[in-house]
Amino acid sequence: NAGVTQTPKFQVLKTGQSMTLQCAQDMNHNSMYWYRQDPGMGLRLIYYSASEGTTDKGEVPNGYNVSRLNKREFSLRLESAAPSQTSVYFCASSGAGARDEQYFGPGTRLTVT
Amino acid sequence: EDKVVQSPLSLVVHEGDTVTLNCSYEVTNFRSLLWYKQEKKAPTFLFMLTSSGIEKKSGRLSSILDKKELFSILNITATQTGDSAIYLCAVASGANSKLTFGKGITLSVRP
Repeated sequence: NAGVTQTPKFQVLKTGQSMTLQCAQDMNHNSMYWYRQDPGMGLRLIYYSASEGTTDKGEVPNGYNVSRLNKREFSLRLESAAPSQTSVYFCASSGAGARDEQYFGPGTRLTVT
Repeated sequence: EDKVVQSPLSLVVHEGDTVTLNCSYEVTNFRSLLWYKQEKKAPTFLFMLTSSGIEKKSGRLSSILDKKELFSILNITATQTGDSAIYLCAVASGANSKLTFGKGITLSVRP
């Protein structure tokens, strides 16, 4: 039982390049989330998916797109990376039972030069 | 717009001290308040609070919620260097599953 996994762990991009961050969970959770974390800013929600087939914008969605591929997987795409997107990205999931408790993946550290 | 404010933003204590971390919130349709600990990796869950006045305890950590005054505190007694971390407070509200996070409190425990 791996919980929430994310790939890659680290990535360096040049301005204008694109990439997709992958996230998968094996806890049969309905809801999945993408956050970014910058120093002194806490966690800010980019996009979330309350259930398979739905996605909604969070607090800071500009410059990102998401795909809820199936119940297990939720990907985050940067179409044209900008230095302002340098950050640590966390994926999380939550499900039945303690519904509000979110479980986090190990994070992806992204640098855009 | 939902708002979660944590204070202080950072503090430095010595091993053995007791610390109190604060979290206040303004949200519509409050559902629960959660505390997470974050060391140099992903946040890990500490407590979820839904009712006023009921203390949750885990070892040297405890937390309580006041829904009338809209705040929560996280207490850590007999601090150890391993308690050094960022402590995040988050609130769940409304009908959706989103959490609103505060900016976090950076705690440094010196030997």
